Amino acid sequence: DAKTTQPNSMESNEEEPVHLPCNHSTISGTDYIHWYRQLPSQGPEYVIHGLTSNVNNRMASLAIAEDRKSSTLILHRATLRDAAVYYCILISTANFNKFYFGSGTKLNVKP
Amino acid sequence: DVKVTQSSRYLVKRTGEKVFLECVQDMDHENMFWYRQDPGLGLRLIYFSYDVKMKEKGDIPEGYSVSREKKERFSLILESASTNQTSMYLCASIDRGSSYTFGSGTRLTVV
Repeated sequence: DAKTTQPNSMESNEEEPVHLPCNHSTISGTDYIHWYRQLPSQGPEYVIHGLTSNVNNRMASLAIAEDRKSSTLILHRATLRDAAVYYCILISTANFNKFYFGSGTKLNVKP
Repeated sequence: DVKVTQSSRYLVKRTGEKVFLECVQDMDHENMFWYRQDPGLGLRLIYFSYDVKMKEKGDIPEGYSVSREKKERFSLILESASTNQTSMYLCASIDRGSSYTFGSGTRLTVV
């Protein structure tokens, strides 16, 4: 399974933008970049995903490097409810049953 | 909103008991999964099913079995619960090309 590397933790102030980085140097052509987040005592929740182009939705934006070896999840205005563990994972269209779900980045949002 | 529902949020069982964890999805997804999540180990795949009555072992199937008699329901069975099966159990479903939808999780404690 292709692996991703994320910082263990990050901190942000409320109402400010947050950029969560992810490295995935072994990404293959069939891998989609997915982001999920997990609130305390909850299951992971889908945030956004993309293949090559940058993506926007109501929750966040995803910026993908041109070589696809890294990506950044952007929360435009962090709120206290965004405090969670954020996971960057690669899901292959060829084998979507297998993926690596690592330790993620714990985001702390300060009021 | 699409949903994956796990029957229990918290369970406490005794060593040696047979334990059933139930999961129901309302998205007509073909693929369903059971994971366990432990601190420092991320999510680990126990079993998955790609169709009714079909199942495949994941990375850590020992001590577990599964049942999928209907498309919407996927059950995880601990044949004889042991203390090392104390964990958070997560059910998920996906269709090809979509994202994973996870349940809220069942925190199982075996005493």
